[in-house]
Amino acid sequence: QSALTQPASVSGSPGQSITISCTGTSSDIGNYRYVSWYQQQPGKAPKVMIYDVSNRPSGVSNRFSGTKSGNTASLTISGLQAEDEADYYCTSYTSASTYVFGTGTRVTVL
Amino acid sequence: EVQLVESGGGLVQPGGSLRLSCAASGFIFSDYWIHWVRQAPGKGLEWVSRIKYDGTSTFYADSVQGRFAVSRDNAMGTVYVHMDSLRVEDTAVYYCVRGARGYYFVDHWGQGTLVTVSS
Repeated sequence: QSALTQPASVSGSPGQSITISCTGTSSDIGNYRYVSWYQQQPGKAPKVMIYDVSNRPSGVSNRFSGTKSGNTASLTISGLQAEDEADYYCTSYTSASTYVFGTGTRVTVL
Repeated sequence: EVQLVESGGGLVQPGGSLRLSCAASGFIFSDYWIHWVRQAPGKGLEWVSRIKYDGTSTFYADSVQGRFAVSRDNAMGTVYVHMDSLRVEDTAVYYCVRGARGYYFVDHWGQGTLVTVSS
């Protein structure tokens, strides 16, 4: 159950688009469409932004979108805003009926 | 309003035991899986365990398998995690998290309780 691999940090200017990758294996991301993404602001509990690879819960901005190809999932934030500055984590269901989180990505708005 | 309130955290010596509780309200507790997720200070999230809505199935991360045991009391609306043989690396904020009904993600988080394993 190794953690999914994410870049440690990604940055962009306001209005730009950024993409965060999340790489797993055929035992997790590659075999299921049960990938979700969470945003964690400092000192707060995480909040779900995307579920089932590309679905947004109600209330989440449509600037957030998700995709998957093979063993890698991606989260794209379009029209980057200062309020998007946070840590982002991917997670996937696994063949062992467990879950695994990604290593986390710090998003900085320049 | 969905609420999950963890309690029971504190300081424990390596090799010791601790039981965390999670009191739920604002939803039909017996309809939902409940997960435990932890976060070491300054580190990322780590999925720990989950328990089925009726308590008949539990799953654990390899890092806690055989040392942690999750249970629930649906009449009380409470989930427990009993942690044995605690290690320094178990030091973390432990979050109680509700699984989204019919889906494979989690949708509501508690505020967490801090467990510190240190001599």
